[in-house]
Amino acid sequence: RKEVEQDPGPFNVPEGATVAFNCTYSNSASQSFFWYRQDCRKEPKLLMSVYSSGNEDGRFTAQLNRASQYISLLIRDSKLSDSATYLCVVISPSRGSTLGRLYFGRGTQLTVWP
Amino acid sequence: NAGVTQTPKFRVLKTGQSMTLLCAQDMNHEYMYWYRQDPGMGLRLIHYSVGEGTTAKGEVPDGYNVSRLKKQNFLLGLESAAPSQTSVYFCASKTPLLNTEAFFGQGTRLTVV
Repeated sequence: RKEVEQDPGPFNVPEGATVAFNCTYSNSASQSFFWYRQDCRKEPKLLMSVYSSGNEDGRFTAQLNRASQYISLLIRDSKLSDSATYLCVVISPSRGSTLGRLYFGRGTQLTVWP
Repeated sequence: NAGVTQTPKFRVLKTGQSMTLLCAQDMNHEYMYWYRQDPGMGLRLIHYSVGEGTTAKGEVPDGYNVSRLKKQNFLLGLESAAPSQTSVYFCASKTPLLNTEAFFGQGTRLTVV
């Protein structure tokens, strides 16, 4: 079983729509969680960290559900510029052979159309 | 700030040739990573390093070697390139602190013919 599973999409939504992505992780001891954004032919860049209590940054809301082992990203009022691939990232427990490992989901592709 | 710099940006190799990809970071990060990204496969970890002089295998290490002789540099070597190694390669670096982001280089597009 993969460490991180993510629905690859694609998601095609009109401007102004609300869209949500989920990502599940297999290791219950995972410690840190992030959402990254990757534009076509570019490197991934941090969108936001995911905190236990949930966090919001403008139109973006990230949630963590430790009991069900998933993280989510909600984008409200989608803009054309939100078109990208969104990657969830999980950091494994910092011990032994997994020290320092980052686990990436395969990414969810979002296209926002006018 | 330079951040994470990868060289070269593009390269075409013939099957059997060797090459080294260089990743340099100026943020004094302990952790460094090499990933490859293929369509539909996401980012797959090749090798990584948690400190100068240490390296570890990731998910897809076969056909690659790495070295971390200096803290700021992480080298990825292909001893005998194969068409299956055609990919986009990304380097990343990070501090050991849990809730800190990983910074990526701009990528190296490698084609093996």
